[in-house]
Order: sequence, then C-alpha cells, then structure tokens
Amino acid sequence: EAGVAQSPRYKIIEKRQSVAFWCNPISGHATLYWYQQILGQGPKLLIQFQNNGVVDDSQLPKDRFSAERLKGVDSTLKIQPAKLEDSAVYLCASSLLLGNTEAFFGQGTRLTVV
Amino acid sequence: AQKVTQAQTEISVVEKEDVTLDCVYETRDTTYYLFWYKQPPSGELVFLIRRNSFDEQNEISGRYSWNFQKSTSSFNFTITASQVVDSAVYFCALSWSGYALNFGKGTSLLVTP
Repeated sequence: EAGVAQSPRYKIIEKRQSVAFWCNPISGHATLYWYQQILGQGPKLLIQFQNNGVVDDSQLPKDRFSAERLKGVDSTLKIQPAKLEDSAVYLCASSLLLGNTEAFFGQGTRLTVV
Repeated sequence: AQKVTQAQTEISVVEKEDVTLDCVYETRDTTYYLFWYKQPPSGELVFLIRRNSFDEQNEISGRYSWNFQKSTSSFNFTITASQVVDSAVYFCALSWSGYALNFGKGTSLLVTP
C-alpha cells in the first residue's frame, strides 16, 4: 500500500514570496491533516479535512495560509506571503476515520524562508 | 485544557540500557485516545501504538512496552535493552471527539554504543 506522498521535499524562498505544497493521502483515507513542525517542537495542526470539508482550521493563520482539498483526495497548502517564522517542516497525514485512529504521515516538506 | 506534556527533552543512554519516556496528558473528555510516534532522523513520523481511554491494559510489543495509568493521567513508554536504531525523537499525542492528534514537544532519545 502506497504511503502519504508529499512534494516538494525541500523549498527555499525569500520572504514575501508565495509557496505551495502538495499532498496525496493514502487511498481510501477520508481524513487529511496538515501539520507544521518547527525545529525542536512537536507537530502543530494547521487544518483538518474530512473528505473535502474543513473540520478544524482554528490554528491556520488565515491571513497568509490557505488550503484546499478538491474532490476529497489531493490537497494543497499555500502560504502567501511567506514570513521568516514560517520556516518549518510541513507534514501531511491521513487517517481512515476522524480523530480516533492512527494517522499516517508523509515525509514532509522542509521550507526555509530567507 | 487538552494537552500533552513530555517533560524530558533529551535522554542519553548506553546500548542495552532500559529507558522510560514519560507522557502526562490533560483532557476533559471521558473518551480519548493516546498515541506514541517515533520520528527518526529521516523525519517521517512512524506510528507505534494507540490506546483508548477505556483500555488500561498495559501492552508489550517486543522490546517496547507501554504503561497507561488513568489515575495519574500518564502513558509512559519503555524501551528494554535499547539499541542504537532506537535513537529518534518520540512524541506522545492525544486525540478526542474526532479531533486531530495533539502532540507533545517530544523527547529526543540518543542511544550510544
């Protein structure tokens, strides 16, 4: 079974530029998550989708971050404009059901904003 | 508050020693789920175990064991006879009511030969 796929693996951009990350979850997984992991910290949830609907985006900085999951499969996360403090690893995960089952993670996208 | 505390930031042991990673959680829900994940240097989070709030049985899987105690709101993880390959950051996480995993800050484990 294929795991969660993310691209790109690495990205370096200048502040105020925009960037987009892509995620393809495990086939059949209805729930998709985007997490932000700053160096030395635990992952922090940005947004959670159930199929193509948003379940929780309370921690998403909506003035600069946006995410969508059209057709309930792939998802993209965008940052526009980027700030230095957005430097982090962006992890995508998927799970079969909401919340109470294990989430499977992709390898992440390491973003460096200079 | 719903949160997870991993008080140990870094632990260093010599190979074959036993090591316990602590996890303390807070939740107001009666139904919740606790998890442990491993993050090796490659960066990908690897699922280790899930435990629901109604199942306080301890679990053993090879060299890994987990001790869940609701009375102290703890879900500790023990590695017996540690190996160099166990070196990683370990995260404890909590979920409830369909919400996503809420992670602790992690414990970095270094096992030296």
